[in-house]
Parts: sequence; structure tokens; C-alpha cells
Amino acid sequence: DSGVTQTPKHLITATGQRVTLRCSPRSGDLSVYWYQQSLDQGLQFLIQYYNGEERAKGNILERFSAQQFPDLHSELNLSSLELGDSALYFCASSVTTGAGEAFFGQGTRLTVV
Amino acid sequence: AQRVTQPEKLLSVFKGAPVELKCNYSYSGSPELFWYVQYSRQRLQLLLRHISRESIKGFTADLNKGETSFHLKKPFAQEEDSAMYYCALSADNYGQNFVFGPGTRLSVLP
Repeated sequence: DSGVTQTPKHLITATGQRVTLRCSPRSGDLSVYWYQQSLDQGLQFLIQYYNGEERAKGNILERFSAQQFPDLHSELNLSSLELGDSALYFCASSVTTGAGEAFFGQGTRLTVV
Repeated sequence: AQRVTQPEKLLSVFKGAPVELKCNYSYSGSPELFWYVQYSRQRLQLLLRHISRESIKGFTADLNKGETSFHLKKPFAQEEDSAMYYCALSADNYGQNFVFGPGTRLSVLP
């Protein structure tokens, strides 16, 4: 167990809908990263938060947004869902007071039908 | 900005053969380098980090600052090594400070 918790594990929803994915980082980790992994694809970096503030943004669609709350948990909001949004969404956390290891959650498997 | 490249998208070897997964990086400072492994689209797990200089599951990786490389090696591949391998770089700077390469899928054939 990495200490990073993602909920839900599985999510099935229809096109056009909106969903929220949740991530609880390891205790003490200030940085949260979100990644998308489509079938047979590598990790696509979406966004990073550090201590409540957006730190870096990757290939994140305008239909997607995220935030990190004062208790450091993070939510990834996906709206106007399309079939192509079906993927594994991973959250990772790290201490980020210096260079160091990132710890991954088990992922949320999103299926858009 | 830092960047990690893995030139091979897919690498197939026979069981018992040596395997080398290539990783190159670009960063002006002194980063930490990692290898992560992902079995069957499960959680990514840390395999190696360069500062620990240890061998995990028979894998080793040496940081070559001159060539800016961190290649992953194993002398005798096993079928259970079949997985997706990601090279990653961590740096203490503003901006995205944990960067992954595109990944290499290793397939070990019987």
C-alpha cells in the first residue's frame, strides 16, 4: 500500500455527464499529480498541485479541472464527457520539499458509454 | 525544462536473454532518477532510484551524468518481468518537478 487513496476505483457514466475523482495523498505529502492513461498508452501528465496551489499544467483539456483543498486532498473534475475520456486516472503524491520519490494511487478506471 | 525520453516503445526479448531499457534525460541541475514498473495497468510501483544504488528483482541502473542516461539492465530476463517500465526524473525547481518518460513495454517471450 502506497498510502495514496483514490476513489472511486471504477466509474461508468454516459457521454455528456460530469464526474469527480478524488485523491488523498500520503500523510505529509504536499504535492499531488494527476495523470491519464488511455488504453495501451503511457502516462499523460494532466496537472500538479503543491500545498493548495497549481504548480504545473500538462495536456489537460479545458473540460477538465482540478483543485487541492486545505487538507491536501485533491479532486479532478471531468465534464462534458466523451467516449475518448475513458481511461485510467492516476493520482500521485510527493513531499516536494526537495527532489524525491512519487507514490501512486491504484487509479480510477473511468468508462464513458 | 526537464525532459525524459525512452526511445523504445516496445522491447521484446526471450527468457534468459539480457535486457536493457534505455532512458535519457535533460536537466541542467542534479536530478534524482527513478524507474517505475506497472504490471497489467495496476498501480505504478517504484523499482529503483539512483541514489540507493541497489538491485531490485535483478534489475540495476547506473546514472551516467556525462551521457545524461539512466538505463535499466537485467542480465537474464524472466517472463514475470513483462510489464510497462517508466523512467522518471525528480528535480527541486519551480514547475513540474516530477517528469515521466513515455514508457517502454517489455515483453519477455518463453
